Amino acid sequence: AQSVSQHNHHVILSEAASLELGCNYSYGGTVNLFWYVQYPGQHLQLLLKYFSGDPLVKGIKGFEAEFIKSKFSFNLRKPSVQWSDTAEYFCAVTPNQAGTALIFGKGTTLSVSS
Amino acid sequence: NAGVTQTPKFQVLKTGQSMTLQCAQDMNHEYMSWYRQDPGMGLRLIHYSVGAGITDQGEVPNGYNVSRSTTEDFPLRLLSAAPSQTSVYFCASRSVTSLVQYFGPGTRLTVT
Repeated sequence: AQSVSQHNHHVILSEAASLELGCNYSYGGTVNLFWYVQYPGQHLQLLLKYFSGDPLVKGIKGFEAEFIKSKFSFNLRKPSVQWSDTAEYFCAVTPNQAGTALIFGKGTTLSVSS
Repeated sequence: NAGVTQTPKFQVLKTGQSMTLQCAQDMNHEYMSWYRQDPGMGLRLIHYSVGAGITDQGEVPNGYNVSRSTTEDFPLRLLSAAPSQTSVYFCASRSVTSLVQYFGPGTRLTVT
């Protein structure tokens, strides 16, 4: 079965520090990749997505992610975090087949101190 | 558009009670899903549907039933609530032409 691994359970950073959250998936075929964010008390929102093309994708609020097919990875990055980035971040994958649902990683909680 | 709506927002049940969590979307999306979110476990897929009349099981389907009689609605039924079903439940939908899922605001369920 497909699975998604997020390496960091809880990351604590100071404002202006750089962020990289790891995500690896297990599926041998073509996949579509997502990062979702959940701010405290809110529902999930799409941060960015990768379907095909340029493996470096840019999302909202200065986030970007790089798809490395050979490593089955889709790591999330931000050069300089802000206090408002405090949230839970979820990596998700869906195989490129009709009728399949989204599989999520366990999530990474990011706490940014000002 | 209201997007994906869920009711109720909060619910407390006693063990053994049954209830239905409602989910509706007004975007004419074919795919709808139910997830539960537990601390340290992320979101786990309960059931999903690829269209009216078609449903399938996800990762954690036991204790839950679903049906999809219309494109808009995808209710989740708890047959006999157990404390292990205490969780936050999210409904999501997407169209067949876009793989981006839209999530509802969630239902926080406590089973005592």
